[in-house]
Amino acid sequence: KAGVTQTPRYLIKTRGQQVTLSCSPISGHRSVSWYQQTPGQGLQFLFEYFSETQRNKGNFPGRFSGRQFSNSRSEMNVSTLELGDSALYLCASSPLGRENIQYFGAGTRLSVL
Amino acid sequence: ILNVEQSPQSLHVQEGDSTNFTCSFPSSNFYALHWYRWETAKSPEALFVMTLNGDEKKKGRISATLNTKEGYSYLYIKGSQPEDSATYLCALGDYGGSQGNLIFGKGTKLSVKP
Repeated sequence: KAGVTQTPRYLIKTRGQQVTLSCSPISGHRSVSWYQQTPGQGLQFLFEYFSETQRNKGNFPGRFSGRQFSNSRSEMNVSTLELGDSALYLCASSPLGRENIQYFGAGTRLSVL
Repeated sequence: ILNVEQSPQSLHVQEGDSTNFTCSFPSSNFYALHWYRWETAKSPEALFVMTLNGDEKKKGRISATLNTKEGYSYLYIKGSQPEDSATYLCALGDYGGSQGNLIFGKGTKLSVKP
């Protein structure tokens, strides 16, 4: 079974631009979550989608948004990029079940100059 | 905001040493406690998920326990090997009934010297 695929792996943008990151979950997984990791911080939860609906949202500004398609693939968008948005963005998919075990992708490393 | 604390932040041990880390949380209002291993240049991988007070899980030389009454979980590694070098993350799942997200600690970075 293919794992979680994130594209692109690396991205360089300048302040004020916007960016879209993509995540393809493991086949059959309907839940997709996004996390941000910055130096010195743990994984910070951004949002989670289940069956095309945002089920949970973390404490991030409205510049961060996402969506999920009918095939469970998800995109995350960040508008008006700031230097502080430079981070590793991880996507994880999860099978049904309250244990909610996360299967992570390799991440997208975003650098904002 | 719930704080999941992990200690120590980093740990350097010699090959063959046994070691343990702690994950502390102030509330038992969650469904599952997760442990993940995150090796450099790879993706985090799930090690254990525990849901009940007193749960113990084991996988090879690695084991974990959960004490929800006192608010901690321990991860033990017996006879550390260089390939155990990684950052170990704990996370609370379904906190306050909120499905679909995990609250992570900052991790314990383990380095095992041959």
